[in-house]
Amino acid sequence: QKEVEQDPGPLSVPEGAIVSLNCTYSNSAFQYFMWYRQYSRKGPELLMYTYSSGNKEDGRFTAQVDKSSKYISLFIRDSQPSDSATYLCAIAGRGSARQLTFGSGTQLTVLP
Amino acid sequence: DGGITQSPKYLFRKEGQNVTLSCEQNLNHDAMYWYRQDPGQGLRLIYYSQIVNDFQKGDIAEGYSVSREKKESFPLTVTSAQKNPTAFYLCASSSGGTDTQYFGPGTRLTVL
Repeated sequence: QKEVEQDPGPLSVPEGAIVSLNCTYSNSAFQYFMWYRQYSRKGPELLMYTYSSGNKEDGRFTAQVDKSSKYISLFIRDSQPSDSATYLCAIAGRGSARQLTFGSGTQLTVLP
Repeated sequence: DGGITQSPKYLFRKEGQNVTLSCEQNLNHDAMYWYRQDPGQGLRLIYYSQIVNDFQKGDIAEGYSVSREKKESFPLTVTSAQKNPTAFYLCASSSGGTDTQYFGPGTRLTVL
């Protein structure tokens, strides 16, 4: 079993839809949770960072963490064609190495 | 303009050749990382360095080598021992004490 599992998609939605992207993880030592957005042939850019269970909102984006279920989600409200990208979840545990474990990514297309 | 630069953007290599990918950052970050990304897969860690003149192997270090002679530079050499080097290579950095990593634009390496 991979340490981080992510729905691979691809996911295609109409403009204005609410998008839900999800990851599960197996190691309860993971404490820090990130979502990155990666446009085609570009480097990933950080979207959201959280370390506690619950919701964190930033504009149209909401990151949700449920540590008891080892489940994290990213919601995108009022999705736009410019949101079309691959979304990667990344998880880190305690320790000095600061290593991230990445999900395989979900490819999202928002149709105008 | 602060950030991470990678060069070249595209690189072609003949079988049996070593090639070096450049990564430079002016964010004054202590830690730097190299990842490999294959189609439909997440990022896999090749090498990382937390301080100058020190680096550790990641999950897939075989066939790669690195150096960290300066804080701002972390070049990656793909050697002829790497059996399947065609991939998208990403460099990242983070400041001490945080898990958030910031990525460069990537180098796409193709073996001819």
